Amino acid sequence: EPEVTQTPSHQVTQMGQEVILHCVPISNHLYFYWYRQILGQKVEFLVSFYNNEISEKSEIFDDQFSVERPDGSNFTLKIRSTKLEDSAMYFCANSPPGVTNEQFFGPGTRLTVL
Amino acid sequence: DAKTTQPTSMDCAEGRAANLPCNHSTISGNEYVYWYRQIHSQGPQYIIHGLKNNETNEMASLIITEDRKSSTLILPHATLRDTAVYYCIVRVGGSARQLTFGSGTQLTVLP
Repeated sequence: EPEVTQTPSHQVTQMGQEVILHCVPISNHLYFYWYRQILGQKVEFLVSFYNNEISEKSEIFDDQFSVERPDGSNFTLKIRSTKLEDSAMYFCANSPPGVTNEQFFGPGTRLTVL
Repeated sequence: DAKTTQPTSMDCAEGRAANLPCNHSTISGNEYVYWYRQIHSQGPQYIIHGLKNNETNEMASLIITEDRKSSTLILPHATLRDTAVYYCIVRVGGSARQLTFGSGTQLTVLP
């Protein structure tokens, strides 16, 4: 069964540094998402992406965040200048075309900002 | 998206059916009921969804009441690996729409 993959599994960075989180979605899926989960808290939506542009974004997804599909397969989340409060699990998800739009999640990247 | 209410936690004996309830009394006609689960520290996992009719797949069954104001996720023979947080999410289908996760129900399957 096809799966969503994410790399790296764990990223440690210094505050103020840029990080890029990588996701390889399931091949025929058209809608892409990023969520995050701070330790012990709820899963929070960040952004959705379709047809090479952002469809929806939350208040969390401010100017320090960006997403792109650089080569038509990978889907990346960039955080330009990390803050301590960006420490969280970041989950990529994607969904196939269709009405019901069920989302399939990757295993996550644990980001630790020191 | 309609608000959902779930119990905070439930226990179930291994091998027995786990019945997880969800109330969504303000659901509108074009909103689907989705169930996801999250095993500790892993990504959320899609389980099942439905609109009006009951649904079954290889993981679970979803029973939606006739008035659609509540639903029950049934895991027919729970195993220890089913221990997880289960989320009931109500949302309009289609497009690249976000999922809004609540606190869910922590299901613990006991040996």
